Amino acid sequence: GDSVTQMEGPVTLSEEAFLTINCTYTATGYPSLFWYVQYPGEGLQLLLKATKADDKGSNKGFEATYRKETTSFHLEKGSVQVSDSAVYFCALRNTGNQFYFGTGTSLTVIP
Amino acid sequence: DVKVTQSSRYLVKRTGEKVFLECVQDMDHENMFWYRQDPGLGLRLIYFSYDVKMKEKGDIPEGYSVSREKKERFSLILESASTNQTSMYLCASSLIQVNTEAFFGQGTRLTVV
Repeated sequence: GDSVTQMEGPVTLSEEAFLTINCTYTATGYPSLFWYVQYPGEGLQLLLKATKADDKGSNKGFEATYRKETTSFHLEKGSVQVSDSAVYFCALRNTGNQFYFGTGTSLTVIP
Repeated sequence: DVKVTQSSRYLVKRTGEKVFLECVQDMDHENMFWYRQDPGLGLRLIYFSYDVKMKEKGDIPEGYSVSREKKERFSLILESASTNQTSMYLCASSLIQVNTEAFFGQGTRLTVV
């Protein structure tokens, strides 16, 4: 079945460091891929998405490229800020109605 | 902006009580979902609905039921609350098109004592 595997956390970085959170997926066909962010005590918010191979989603300095050949959708940011501290979820949606989420990666950015 | 609103941010209920969690969306989405979120387990789907009065079991439906009498409203019911249902509950909605995202409510932190 469809599934998402993402990098275990927690991840701790200094401000202005480079961020990569790995995400790989298993799915038949051509799923849509998403990154969500969750701040403490809140629901999930869409950070970015890509709906076909080689698409790059971007938002607020974050980027992820849909790589079908490696079934990956890694999240990157060139220079993280303290305000980026949150939990990040990779997700996919395939031909049905359901979404499949990774287990989440907690990021803490220290000044 | 799409809004998904959950009726309570925090709830404390007693073991054995019947608990209702309400969710309303204002963007005419066909799909609605209930998840629970627990540390280390990510999001687990309890139920979803793709139309009024239609529902499908997710991964962990035991101990829960749902109701969707109107398109904009999706209720999660804990028939007899137990302490192992203490969790964060998240409601979400989406369009039926597969290239569209889910929109989430702010979550309900339920504690069963």
